[in-house]
Amino acid sequence: QQQVKQSPQSLIVQKGGISIINCAYENTAFDYFPWYQQFPGKGPALLIAIRPDVSEKKEGRFTISFNKSAKQFSLHIMDSQPGDSATYFCAASMVYNFNKFYFGSGTKLNVKP
Amino acid sequence: NAGVTQTPKFQVLKTGQSMTLQCAQDMNHEYMSWYRQDPGMGLRLIHYSVGAGITDQGEVPNGYNVSRSTTEDFPLRLLSAAPSQTSVYFCASRRIGRENSYEQYFGPGTRLTVT
Repeated sequence: QQQVKQSPQSLIVQKGGISIINCAYENTAFDYFPWYQQFPGKGPALLIAIRPDVSEKKEGRFTISFNKSAKQFSLHIMDSQPGDSATYFCAASMVYNFNKFYFGSGTKLNVKP
Repeated sequence: NAGVTQTPKFQVLKTGQSMTLQCAQDMNHEYMSWYRQDPGMGLRLIHYSVGAGITDQGEVPNGYNVSRSTTEDFPLRLLSAAPSQTSVYFCASRRIGRENSYEQYFGPGTRLTVT
């Protein structure tokens, strides 16, 4: 079964709106949670990542919110732009055993102008 | 730096054929890995390597072989292709054991179709 569950599968947002993508995990040993952005025909690229010692991390318009007790984390894209249209993947790994990453199923974001 | 490169970009195989997907990186990264990407499944780890001569299995290793004779190259071999191996394959690499070494760098992918 998938170790990281991601929703929604697809998302349509108007330009300037907030895009929110959610992920949940079961394995409490996970302690590194990155988000990847993938444009069509390209490989994924790291967007932002968080460790569980903080509840929020912000980089520009992108924010990760982390809820350790609920075993959930989410990506918020503020002031969404058409250039943000891409597929987003959450992932989880363990810093002490960093050889394996577990990815969510992906969210296809379409930001309408 | 070219980063992570993959060849070919596209490939069509018949069931039972074998082939090798090539991956190379010029960043002197110790860790390299192969993923497959399927609709609704995200990326799943096939095999990984933490250095020349050292490889291990990921989530979905069956039907795939790897070896790592140099730091730069990490080829993925399909011994007898099956339609279930139709997918997009990504190679990734990262440093090990250094500050800020968590980031994985992905190649552009190889789209494989098995008929």
